[in-house]
Amino acid sequence: KAGVTQTPRYLIKTRGQQVTLSCSPISGHRSVSWYQQTPGQGLQFLFEYFSETQRNKGNFPGRFSGRQFSNSRSEMNVSTLELGDSALYLCASSVSGSSYEQYFGPGTRLTVT
Amino acid sequence: QQQVKQSPQSLIVQKGGISIINCAYENTAFDYFPWYQQFPGKGPALLIAIRPDVSEKKEGRFTISFNKSAKQFSLHIMDSQPGDSATYFCAALMDSNYQLIWGAGTKLIIKP
Repeated sequence: KAGVTQTPRYLIKTRGQQVTLSCSPISGHRSVSWYQQTPGQGLQFLFEYFSETQRNKGNFPGRFSGRQFSNSRSEMNVSTLELGDSALYLCASSVSGSSYEQYFGPGTRLTVT
Repeated sequence: QQQVKQSPQSLIVQKGGISIINCAYENTAFDYFPWYQQFPGKGPALLIAIRPDVSEKKEGRFTISFNKSAKQFSLHIMDSQPGDSATYFCAALMDSNYQLIWGAGTKLIIKP
């Protein structure tokens, strides 16, 4: 089975711009979670989608949003980028329900200048 | 109450030795405790996980010890190898909100 894929792998944006990141989960997985990883804050939960519905959301501003499509693929959007948004954005998928076993993609490295 | 505290921040172990990483939590509603291994440039990979109704789980050279009364759990890596050099994260999850709460990570270096 192919693993979780994320595109693009690297991205450089300018302050004030917006960005969309994509995540394709493992085939058959219906839950997708997004995390932000920074050296200072570690791994922080952004949100989780299951069957196209956001089930849970972390403590991030409204500039961070996401969605999930009927094929379970998910996108994350960040609007009005700030320098502090520079981070590795990780997507994880799990089969369903409790999301106990989460499998991560390689991440998208976002740099905001 | 949502925190998971992980220690040490970094660890150097000789090849063949035992690596031990500890985590502590406050919220007794957590009911799943995974450990993840992350290599540079990669996403975290699930290593081993335990539920609170079990005190120990072993998979190969990796063992989780779980102390429910002390609200602590630890990862033991036996016969540590240079290939085990990575950052290790503990985490905790509540079934009710599907959100993994992460420890800060431990950078493990195994010296040949």
